[in-house]
Amino acid sequence: ETGVTQSPTHLIKTRGQQVTLRCSSQSGHNTVSWYQQALGQGPQFIFQYYREEENGRGNFPPRFSGLQFPNYSSELNVNALELDDSALYLCASSTDRAPLSGYTFGSGTRLTVV
Amino acid sequence: GENVEQHPSTLSVQEGDSAVIKCTYSDSASNYFPWYKQELGKGPQLIIDIRSNVGEKKDQRIAVTLNKTAKHFSLHITETQPEDSAVYFCAAVFSNSNSGYALNFGKGTSLLVTP
Repeated sequence: ETGVTQSPTHLIKTRGQQVTLRCSSQSGHNTVSWYQQALGQGPQFIFQYYREEENGRGNFPPRFSGLQFPNYSSELNVNALELDDSALYLCASSTDRAPLSGYTFGSGTRLTVV
Repeated sequence: GENVEQHPSTLSVQEGDSAVIKCTYSDSASNYFPWYKQELGKGPQLIIDIRSNVGEKKDQRIAVTLNKTAKHFSLHITETQPEDSAVYFCAAVFSNSNSGYALNFGKGTSLLVTP
């Protein structure tokens, strides 16, 4: 069984640009959640997708948006990048919306905004 | 929303000793509490979890205890080994009409096991 894969692993963008991060969920998982992890902090919930629809959202502005595809893979899009968006972006998949069976996290995409 | 407090922020133990990390949460509706281990350059890895209808769970050298009344839960690692060195995160699930289901994480404990 494959795990969660994210691409790219590292990315450098300029303030004001747009970025798309990608995630392939673990086989058999239909729910994808995205988290932002600033340096030295715990992950912060951005949003969750279940069966191609946004199922919940944390305290992030609308310039953070996402998609989930029929194969349950997902994208995170961030518009108008700000310096504070520099962080590790983690994708997590699970078999259901409620994480009672645990989330499987990918290794993340390290985004640096200059 | 849910707040999760985690202590200590750093912990240094000698190989073979035990390590204990403690967390408190605020939402009495939380019913699932996972612990994650994160090594440098990697994503968090689930090491153990506990549901609110259970007071204690053990998996080899790792155990988690939950006190629902006091709203705190703890991770216990016995017979620590250098490869246990990593950052450990506790988390609690929370849900509301806006967020759906999500994990709220503590700020992490950096554990160093010295030979």
